[in-house]
Order: sequence, then structure tokens, then C-alpha cells
Amino acid sequence: ETGVTQSPTHLIKTRGQQVTLRCSSQSGHNTVSWYQQALGQGPQFIFQYYREEENGRGNFPPRFSGLQFPNYSSELNVNALELDDSALYLCASSEGTAPHEQYFGPGTRLTVT
Amino acid sequence: SQQGEEDPQALSIQEGENATMNCSYKTSINNLQWYRQNSGRGLVHLILIRSNEREKHSGRLRVTLDTSKKSSSLLITASRAADTASYFCATVRTGNQFYFGTGTSLTVIP
Repeated sequence: ETGVTQSPTHLIKTRGQQVTLRCSSQSGHNTVSWYQQALGQGPQFIFQYYREEENGRGNFPPRFSGLQFPNYSSELNVNALELDDSALYLCASSEGTAPHEQYFGPGTRLTVT
Repeated sequence: SQQGEEDPQALSIQEGENATMNCSYKTSINNLQWYRQNSGRGLVHLILIRSNEREKHSGRLRVTLDTSKKSSSLLITASRAADTASYFCATVRTGNQFYFGTGTSLTVIP
């Protein structure tokens, strides 16, 4: 078990709604990355936050946004939910922006109906 | 789109046998990492190999990297039922941005 926690574990939303997912990073880690994993696929990089600033973004629309707080915890916000947003959302923490290993949380399973 | 692709997509072996899975990628990398995922849970880091390394070992795991062919392989020796999981390679370029492949689903039959 890593020290990365995510909440909630499961979530069901309706198309068009907004959702906020939360992640607490492992102690000592100042970088959080978010991934979307559709069923049967590998995780896809959404964005990364380092010391409260966005530090890279994948190929996701602006309705996916995030925040990182002074304690390095993070939020992922998705507006105007679409059916295709149904997925497992994973956050991962790491130390700095050097390409070391990342430590993943258990994920939040989002279902959009 | 995914940066890497694993092969095979699925692998079923008997306990005690070795399991080999491969990863191909498209661009230059800083390092390549292998992760394991059990039943849609979080990923667990297994091993990291840098672009200037060719082979690395960790317990029952052996990873090779061929940057000229843009490919890597993960070998799990003397497999156990507990090794049943999905295995992903992740290529890492600059900025600590990870690009995962599509994964290999490994089933180890007791």
C-alpha cells in the first residue's frame, strides 16, 4: 500500500453534471499527476501539478481542470460530464519533477449515466 | 493515444513457468518503468530502467531495454498465482510525464 489516498472510491453522476475528485499525496511528495483509465485500457495522462502549479498536460479538454494545495493534496474537476468520462481516475504522487517512479492511489471509479 | 503497446494482450501460464511480456514505444525516452495493477486498483511500481541501461534485475523480475528497437521486455521467473494481474509499461520523457501502454493481462494457473 502506498501512502496515496483518493476519495471518493466510487461515484455516479449524470451527463452534464460536474464532479470533484480528491487526492492526498504521500508524505514528502510535492508532485501529483492525474490519469484516466478507461476499462481495458492503460492510464492516460491528464495533467501534473508541482508545487501548486500545472506542470504539463495531456490531450484532455479544458473542462478537465485541477488544483494543488499548499499541503500538496490535489483535486481533479470535470465539468459538463459526458458518458465517455466514465473511467477509473488515478492520482500518483512523486518527489519533484525528475522522472522517478510514481506512487499511485487506489483510484476513484466514476460512472456517468 | 497510448505511447507504448504491450504484447501479448493476454497471457495464461501454469504456476512455476516463466512469463515474458514485451513493450514497444515510439519516441525517445528518459526511462521506462513497469507497473502492475490488480483488478482495476491502483498501479504498483515494479522496476525502472534508464535509457542508458540494457538490463536490470529485481528479485524474480528481469527487464531489458533496447533503445535502438524502442522495445523492452519484462520476464517474471517461477511465476506464482499471486502474480496474476495486468502489467503496464510506462515510458517517461521529460517533465516526469508518464505514457502507459495498453497492458498485458497475466493469468497464472495454480
